This record gives sequence, structure tokens and C-alpha cells, in this order.
Amino acid sequence: DTGVSQDPRHKITKRGQNVTFRCDPISEHNRLYWYRQTLGQGPEFLTYFQNEAQLEKSRLLSDRFSAERPKGSFSTLEIQRTEQGDSAMYLCASSFGDQPQHFGDGTRLSIL
Amino acid sequence: AQSVTQPDIHITVSEGASLELRCNYSYGATPYLFWYVQSPGQGLQLLLKYFSGDTLVQGIKGFEAEFKRSQSSFNLRKPSVHWSDAAEYFCAVAPGGYQKVTFGTGTKLQVIP
Repeated sequence: DTGVSQDPRHKITKRGQNVTFRCDPISEHNRLYWYRQTLGQGPEFLTYFQNEAQLEKSRLLSDRFSAERPKGSFSTLEIQRTEQGDSAMYLCASSFGDQPQHFGDGTRLSIL
Repeated sequence: AQSVTQPDIHITVSEGASLELRCNYSYGATPYLFWYVQSPGQGLQLLLKYFSGDTLVQGIKGFEAEFKRSQSSFNLRKPSVHWSDAAEYFCAVAPGGYQKVTFGTGTKLQVIP
């Protein structure tokens, strides 16, 4: 069990640029979740996958956000035309079925 | 819609003292309740969960929590705090299982010698 891995750990970009984050779940886990955590708040659910199928998306996930899990293993979260309000920690978690989620250490996004 | 309130943003306790972190939830039926801990710059770790049955649940690292339906509360307790417990603690609620989890805003715990 190598844990959930997220890359990069920190991303600094200018407003209007596109960014992509990667999450590698624990290998046998079939579910993968994305959360966003802003300063002083708890994590907010964005979306989750079961294998390669994206089963649910939060209304927080605007059209500028897209997530993929093409082969049911790693996942990417892309934000297009970043805005100041996108500055946050983006957390990935994985689980085997409806079991406790294991969280990665997150990617902190800073928009200049 | 489900929601969670953690009324204390920041708590300071002395090492060795007891701890209670408050959590109130709002949900129409009996919810699934969780406590998570987050150390600086890291992800969340599940401390304990309540699904049904005994209302006093034991977790890891010596933590426990009590579900009180009449008060819509799920407070976290520890009889003797260690310096390594300094972290942020999140209460969370879900309608069933680990999907659609709603987190509270967190309580930051500071432990002083």
C-alpha cells in the first residue's frame, strides 16, 4: 500500500491559464474522488469515479473543470481559464467500493 | 440537505488535559457520521465512524465519539491529549456509506506544554 499520490504538490499559475493535476490511487481501489478545500473550510466534494465511469459531479464543478479516469486507474483534473477563486487545495481520495476513503496529500493551487 | 456545524474554530488545550470537540449535524434521518484529522499540508485520515448500533464509538489514537440523536450531536473526545494531536479536526456526515460526504469547517487544535 503506497498510498494515494498527487502531483504536483503545489502549482502556481497566472489567471487565465489552464492547469492539470494528477492523482494515482491505491492500486486495488476502484473508486476515486476529487475534493476542493479552501482556506478555513472543510473539503467539498467535486466528483467521483467508479472504475472509468464518472458517476457523480457536484454543481461546484463548473464547465471550466473536467475530470477523467480513462483506464480506471489514475485520474486527472483539469481547470481551464483559471480564476482567482480557483485557488484552493485539491484533494484526491480512493476507496475499494463503499469503504473508507484514503486521502492524498493534495495539490495546492495558487492563482497569481 | 445535510449539513455539519463545528462551532469552535480554534481550541487550545494543555498536554495531558482532556479534549472535547463539538459537532452538530442536520439530516432528516439517521446519518452516517465521521471524524477526520488533517495535519498541516497533508490529506485527511479517518479517526472513527458511526453507522448504527452502540452510540459510543471508539477510534484510532485513543479518540472516541458519542452520537446523541436528541441533540443532533457527535462530539469527539480524548481523555488525555498528546502534543502530536495538534491538527485540524473535521466532522462529516453522509446519508449512507462514504459517498456524498459533507464536511464541517473544522476545528484547529493547539496543544501547549
